[in-house]
Amino acid sequence: AQSVTQPDIHITVSEGASLELRCNYSYGATPYLFWYVQSPGQGLQLLLKYFSGDTLVQGIKGFEAEFKRSQSSFNLRKPSVHWSDAAEYFCAVGDKSNFGNEKLTFGTGTRLTIIP
Amino acid sequence: GAGVSQSPSNKVTEKGKDVELRCDPISGHTALYWYRQSLGQGLEFLIYFQGNSAPDKSGLPSDRFSAERTGGSVSTLTIQRTQQEDSAVYLCASSLMGLPTDTQYFGPGTRLTVL
Repeated sequence: AQSVTQPDIHITVSEGASLELRCNYSYGATPYLFWYVQSPGQGLQLLLKYFSGDTLVQGIKGFEAEFKRSQSSFNLRKPSVHWSDAAEYFCAVGDKSNFGNEKLTFGTGTRLTIIP
Repeated sequence: GAGVSQSPSNKVTEKGKDVELRCDPISGHTALYWYRQSLGQGLEFLIYFQGNSAPDKSGLPSDRFSAERTGGSVSTLTIQRTQQEDSAVYLCASSLMGLPTDTQYFGPGTRLTVL
């Protein structure tokens, strides 16, 4: 079965600093990979997704992620964080179930705190 | 409002009571998903609807949990005889057709507290 590991439970960075959130997956085939962000009291919002092709994916809010098959990783990066980026970030892998639908398996999330 | 909506936003109930959680998906989306977000378990898939049918119920944790969808739109998740371990945030998502390339759009969730 597929799984997603986000090794960092909580990360604190200074505003303006660069950011990298780690995500490792376990999946037998070429995975569909996603990063979602959850702000307090809000639902999950899709930041970016990878299906195939270019392994560097650009998303919203200035985020990007790089798919590295050899490392089974899909790390999220941002060159300069803003205070509004403080949120919980979830990496997910998509899988086609035996019933034909797509369902997401999520990591446990990384909480990002921004300090001025 | 073009997004996924859920109600109520918060629900406090006593152990043993039944609760109903509602989800209004994005208009035109045929696929609808329920997930649960709880401490220690993260986000876990519960059930998937395509139209009014639920071909994938593999994530429902027990027979106390059930869900239905009517008119290919609104869905209700029902938890009978609630237990304290049912306390969690229940998230609903919808996508256009349920394909792997379709983005799942999430609602704000219902926070359920079982006392």
